[in-house]
Amino acid sequence: DTGVSQDPRHKITKRGQNVTFRCDPISEHNRLYWYRQTLGQGPEFLTYFQNEAQLEKSRLLSDRFSAERPKGSFSTLEIQRTEQGDSAMYLCASSFSAGDSGNTIYFGEGSWLTVV
Amino acid sequence: AQKITQTQPGMFVQEKEAVTLDCTYDTSDQSYGLFWYKQPSSGEMIFLIYQGSYDEQNATEGRYSLNFQKARKSANLVISASQLGDSAMYFCAMREVSGGGADGLTFGKGTHLIIQP
Repeated sequence: DTGVSQDPRHKITKRGQNVTFRCDPISEHNRLYWYRQTLGQGPEFLTYFQNEAQLEKSRLLSDRFSAERPKGSFSTLEIQRTEQGDSAMYLCASSFSAGDSGNTIYFGEGSWLTVV
Repeated sequence: AQKITQTQPGMFVQEKEAVTLDCTYDTSDQSYGLFWYKQPSSGEMIFLIYQGSYDEQNATEGRYSLNFQKARKSANLVISASQLGDSAMYFCAMREVSGGGADGLTFGKGTHLIIQP
């Protein structure tokens, strides 16, 4: 399988705990994106990387959230001191650099987070 | 104002019929891209079709076509000969090349399509 893969697919955690999600993009893609999707809504942009550089962060990304892509390949998204409002699906996606608007962004299957 | 508007929260369609899913968008950019994704219950966002703002012809991919009306800022998805496996959420999304803000996609709220046998 050469698509975007995410791990774990499901995570249940107690409020206040830290969680970390991992994303492995399509190997030749240099851009990697994180989105969050809550029930009944479309995905919302969180942040993206070009290679190892984090180029943009949404205001949705509070100080409790941190994302890394240390070697420009896989990425991790960590949520510290989780809150019930963090319950959502976290989607990772990848693409080539956007020289134009048409570079398709391919998504993984998502990581479902439930904070109890 | 919302950048992507999908006015149909849910649709029921008979199998084998054609279906049109509505999408209107709002941008001041001259260069942008419009995408449709399918999201089955498993959660994965599956890319369906892309239309660039400068493309003069409507995009087609198999049973999917995009009815692009630039002056009206609409990008409706047409699925011909619907199948039971088409039942899913469908999201319209836009990518603005020159504008500020996120480099990624801005999504609508989606349309839940149910194909009935």
